[in-house]
Amino acid sequence: DAMVIQNPRYQVTQFGKPVTLSCSQTLNHNVMYWYQQKSSQAPKLLFHYYDKDFNNEADTPDNFQSRRPNTSFCFLDIRSPGLGDAAMYLCATSSPQGLNTEAFFGQGTRLTVV
Amino acid sequence: AQKITQTQPGMFVQEKEAVTLDCTYDTSDQSYGLFWYKQPSSGEMIFLIYQGSYDEQNATEGRYSLNFQKARKSANLVISASQLGDSAMYFCAMRGLIGGFKTIFGAGTRLFVKA
Repeated sequence: DAMVIQNPRYQVTQFGKPVTLSCSQTLNHNVMYWYQQKSSQAPKLLFHYYDKDFNNEADTPDNFQSRRPNTSFCFLDIRSPGLGDAAMYLCATSSPQGLNTEAFFGQGTRLTVV
Repeated sequence: AQKITQTQPGMFVQEKEAVTLDCTYDTSDQSYGLFWYKQPSSGEMIFLIYQGSYDEQNATEGRYSLNFQKARKSANLVISASQLGDSAMYFCAMRGLIGGFKTIFGAGTRLFVKA
């Protein structure tokens, strides 16, 4: 029973060509996150939503945008991917009902920029 | 600001022995949660254990226990009876009220279990 689903698992895009990664959840969680993870590094938070409230990390490049049309879906748009944007992108959700619930992660989308 | 520090880039442990992975944190929140995740080479993030800032007892989940020392702001993960399948990256994470429940991660520790 997949709870956080990311599509596609692998994405190859051309340098400078816009790309969208998608995430859906069946947990009805209010909070959704997008992380970028490069090889052997910690996941780096790009954005998170609390319901429709959008929170952008200060160091997230303008090249990255996000949309959350409803509770279940969240998208990461990379307007002009560069070689440095090649990474694993992880979507996660959590419930804000207390702080004792873990974040649930999707399996990630591995982005390659050619 | 919130920050998680993991100072051990890599650790080796002999199969069947115990190992401690270090984690220190910094936050001005009074109420927060601390988490440990395992990330095998397949890339999935697997939740292991949780400790709340007001919990007086150290958390335990099977072979995993969390050595929580609030005054020192440390939340070390102890894995007992290590198995070969424990070889993976381990991340310490924190969530608090500051910043709207965002979850931040430490740099991670890569654990190698030797047969």
